[in-house]
Amino acid sequence: AQKVTQAQTEISVVEKEDVTLDCVYETRDTTYYLFWYKQPPSGELVFLIRRNSFDEQNEISGRYSWNFQKSTSSFNFTITASQVVDSAVYFCALSEEDGNKLVFGAGTILRVKS
Amino acid sequence: DTGVSQDPRHKITKRGQNVTFRCDPISEHNRLYWYRQTLGQGPEFLTYFQNEAQLEKSRLLSDRFSAERPKGSFSTLEIQRTEQGDSAMYLCASSPASFEDTQYFGPGTRLTVL
Repeated sequence: AQKVTQAQTEISVVEKEDVTLDCVYETRDTTYYLFWYKQPPSGELVFLIRRNSFDEQNEISGRYSWNFQKSTSSFNFTITASQVVDSAVYFCALSEEDGNKLVFGAGTILRVKS
Repeated sequence: DTGVSQDPRHKITKRGQNVTFRCDPISEHNRLYWYRQTLGQGPEFLTYFQNEAQLEKSRLLSDRFSAERPKGSFSTLEIQRTEQGDSAMYLCASSPASFEDTQYFGPGTRLTVL
């Protein structure tokens, strides 16, 4: 069965600190996709990144970077030099070839203080 | 492209009443999904459509819930005889064609059942 675990319920950092959000997943499929979404206080889920199971290259987009490791079934997300606007709930999600839905983790609340 | 839109944004109703929500997907997106999110949790899959066909329903979708997508365009989600446990954020998402594609979410409809 597919499952996504985000063990960190809440993280608080001071502005300009780096922060890593952890995501561990379970799946029996060899073909799957992993996603990160951001949910600011307004409530709308904002897409950040999609990664397929055959591409383990790390990705960097501005202050955001993602580390995908199939050996540990992890897809971690790092924000460098955090800003107050990064404060939100971040969700990791999994989509399997045999499934037709996203399975989400419980989310990590990130609070960035000035 | 305009994004996914949902109406209403907020709905307060009394227990036992029926409610209906509407979702307009991104144009030319064939897939449309409904999710439910309760406080402190990640979104949970309810159902999805490929064009006008409803192809999968979660066990979460009790007999009081019904969804339609006439003509493969907008979709409606109806809840009959609402219960307090139905209070949640109802999220709609759309994607181009398959499980590989990114799902883009609307702003959600927050339902409060008194």
